[in-house]
Amino acid sequence: LAKTTQPISMDSYEGQEVNITCSHNNIATNDYITWYQQFPSQGPRFIIQGYKTKVTNEVASLFIPADRKSSTLSLPRVSLSDTAVYYCLVGDIGLTGGGNKLTFGTGTQLKVEL
Amino acid sequence: ETGVTQSPTHLIKTRGQQVTLRCSSQSGHNTVSWYQQALGQGPQFIFQYYREEENGRGNFPPRFSGLQFPNYSSELNVNALELDDSALYLCASSLGQGAATNEKLFFGSGTQLSVL
Repeated sequence: LAKTTQPISMDSYEGQEVNITCSHNNIATNDYITWYQQFPSQGPRFIIQGYKTKVTNEVASLFIPADRKSSTLSLPRVSLSDTAVYYCLVGDIGLTGGGNKLTFGTGTQLKVEL
Repeated sequence: ETGVTQSPTHLIKTRGQQVTLRCSSQSGHNTVSWYQQALGQGPQFIFQYYREEENGRGNFPPRFSGLQFPNYSSELNVNALELDDSALYLCASSLGQGAATNEKLFFGSGTQLSVL
């Protein structure tokens, strides 16, 4: 099972770039890396997904080195509204009768201040 | 908005009771999965349904059961409630069969269950 390790918390200020690194040493060949964002009392929301190298969308960038054993979520110029928990996930095929069983860790609590 | 709705938003039950939580997936999404999220923890996978058949299950006892209906709605049933069942219950729908690791999940806002 591919597990992930990421910092428990990070603090930043408005306007700064935030980089959250996730390690996933046991990532499998067919696994993708996906990041979700969660605000209190809401469900997680998809941010970005990648397989290798770099992916960028309107919200964030995802950097994945060649060995794919880690990945870095980059949030440019954060604002107060980016305060949330960020989860790094690596796809995990369920062991009981198939089906996708995504494994969420405890995530990284990002706090953005003025 | 993810297009996934859950009801009720909050629920209070007592130990030993049974509860049914409901989810309405995005139209066209054939896969629904349910997660339990305890306070301060990440969501934990309960089970997944594809076209009304369970096709994946996490480490939860049989008193956690589910149903998926052809109209993209689903239910999570929990029997013999325990205090530790107090948590946010999330459902998520996806477009595919739920077997690919790159499937994007669309989560609802959850049902906050309190067991007293």
